[in-house]
Amino acid sequence: GESVGLHLPTLSVQEGDNSIINCAYSNSASDYFIWYKQESGKGPQFIIDIRSNMDKRQGQRVTVLLNKTVKHLSLQIAATQPGDSAVYFCAETHRGGSQGNLIFGKGTKLSVKP
Amino acid sequence: DTGVSQNPRHKITKRGQNVTFRCDPISEHNRLYWYRQTLGQGPEFLTYFQNEAQLEKSRLLSDRFSAERPKGSFSTLEIQRTEQGDSAMYLCASSLRTGGNEKLFFGSGTQLSVL
Repeated sequence: GESVGLHLPTLSVQEGDNSIINCAYSNSASDYFIWYKQESGKGPQFIIDIRSNMDKRQGQRVTVLLNKTVKHLSLQIAATQPGDSAVYFCAETHRGGSQGNLIFGKGTKLSVKP
Repeated sequence: DTGVSQNPRHKITKRGQNVTFRCDPISEHNRLYWYRQTLGQGPEFLTYFQNEAQLEKSRLLSDRFSAERPKGSFSTLEIQRTEQGDSAMYLCASSLRTGGNEKLFFGSGTQLSVL
C-alpha cells in the first residue's frame, strides 16, 4: 500500500550545524514531494517541493534530495538556527503536481541547541 | 499568519454531541482542503472543494462527517454524534489551482476534544 515514513522520530543538532532529515516512501507512482515545517500550535508550513523528474532542488538554506531508485527523500538545512526547531513532515502525491490528496509521513522533531 | 483562518481554535464536547468548525480560506483561493491530525502523526486527508464543488472525500471519512462550501468561500465541517476517537486537530488549507504545482496554505487548526 501507499506509505510515507521517516527514519528518525527526533533529531537534536547544535546551532550552526547542518541538519539532515530523511524520509522513505513506498509508492513508486509518487511524482511530487513536499517538505512541511510545523511549529507548536500551528498548521504545516510549506518549505520546499520537488517533482520526480528532478534529483535535487535548492531553496534558501534548504535543499531537498530525491533518490527514486531507493524511494528516499531528504531535507538538508544549512546553518541550523533555533527558529528551525519544529516537526518536519514529508508528503507525497501522485497527481502530476496537484497537491490534492497529500499523504504525510509521521514527522521528525528537530531540536536546535544554542 | 498564512491568511487561512479557523474557528474555533479549541472545542471541548461530550460524546454524542454535534460540532461544527469553520474555515475562511485566502480570499482568491479556489481550492479548500480539510485534514485531520492526531498527536505525533502527520495530517490525514479528509476532503476537498474546488469552488463550491466537493470533489473528493477520503474513504476513511465516516458518514458522521459532512463538509460544505456553499458559496465557494468559507467552509464548514460538521461531525455528528461525536466519538472519543474523533479527538484530533482539524486542519483547513487553501490553494489557488491554476496549473503547475499547487501550494497549500494551512490554518492553525481547530483542536477537538471529545470527553
